[in-house]
Amino acid sequence: QVQLVESGGGLVKPGGSLRLSCAASGFTFSDYYMSWIRQAPGKGLEWVSYISSSGSTIYYADSVKGRFTISRDNAKNSLYLQMNSLRAEDTAVYYCARAGAYYDLDYWGQGTLVTVSS
Amino acid sequence: SYVLTQPPSVSVAPGKTARITCGGNNIGSKSVHWYQQKPGQAPVLVIYYDSDRPSGIPERFSGSNSGNTATLTISRVEAGDEADYYCQVWDSSSDHPCFGTGTKVTVL
Repeated sequence: QVQLVESGGGLVKPGGSLRLSCAASGFTFSDYYMSWIRQAPGKGLEWVSYISSSGSTIYYADSVKGRFTISRDNAKNSLYLQMNSLRAEDTAVYYCARAGAYYDLDYWGQGTLVTVSS
Repeated sequence: SYVLTQPPSVSVAPGKTARITCGGNNIGSKSVHWYQQKPGQAPVLVIYYDSDRPSGIPERFSGSNSGNTATLTISRVEAGDEADYYCQVWDSSSDHPCFGTGTKVTVL
C-alpha cells in the first residue's frame, strides 16, 4: 500500500534552516509528481511546492520562493524540502503528498511539525 | 490567485444530509477535489474530479460542480464524519493547487 513518511521537523530559531524528508513506498515513485503542503496551527491547508516526476519542473508558493528548495531522489524514493531563512510564520505541520492524475493529492503522509521560535 | 470560499461551519443531525459548498469564479470549468481532515490527522481525499470516489470512501460521499459552486454532499451523516473538509482545484493561471478555506462539519 502507498506510504509516505515525513521526517526532519523540529524546533529551529528564526533565520535557521531545516531539511525535511519524505520516504515513499508502495508505488513507483519516479512516475509521480509530488508536493509539500503545510498547515499552521489552527489554520487551513497551504500549498508550498511541487516537483515533477523527473524533477525538471518545480513551482513554489510566493510565501516561500527564494527560501525553500524542493528536490527528489528517485533512486532512493525520497522527496526533500530544504528550508532556509525560516520565519515564525513558517511554523506548521508539513505534509508531503502524491499528486494524482487530475491534479488532486491522492495520498498524504502523517506530517512533521516545524516550529520556528527563539 | 484563484480564491475558493467555503462556509466556516456546517451542523447536521445524525442520519441527515450535509452539504458543503465551495465557491469560485467559474469553478464549474475546473476539476474539484475534496479532502476530509479529522483532528490530529492528515487530510484524506474523499472526492476527486468533481464526483469520483477513491476506493474505500463510502457511497454516502458525493460531489457536484456547476457554474460558480461545487458541492460536497454527505448523506446519512454519522458521528465519524465530524471533521474539517477542504475543496481544492488546480489554478492554471499560476500553475499550483489552491485550497478552499475549509468547513468544519459538526454532527449534533
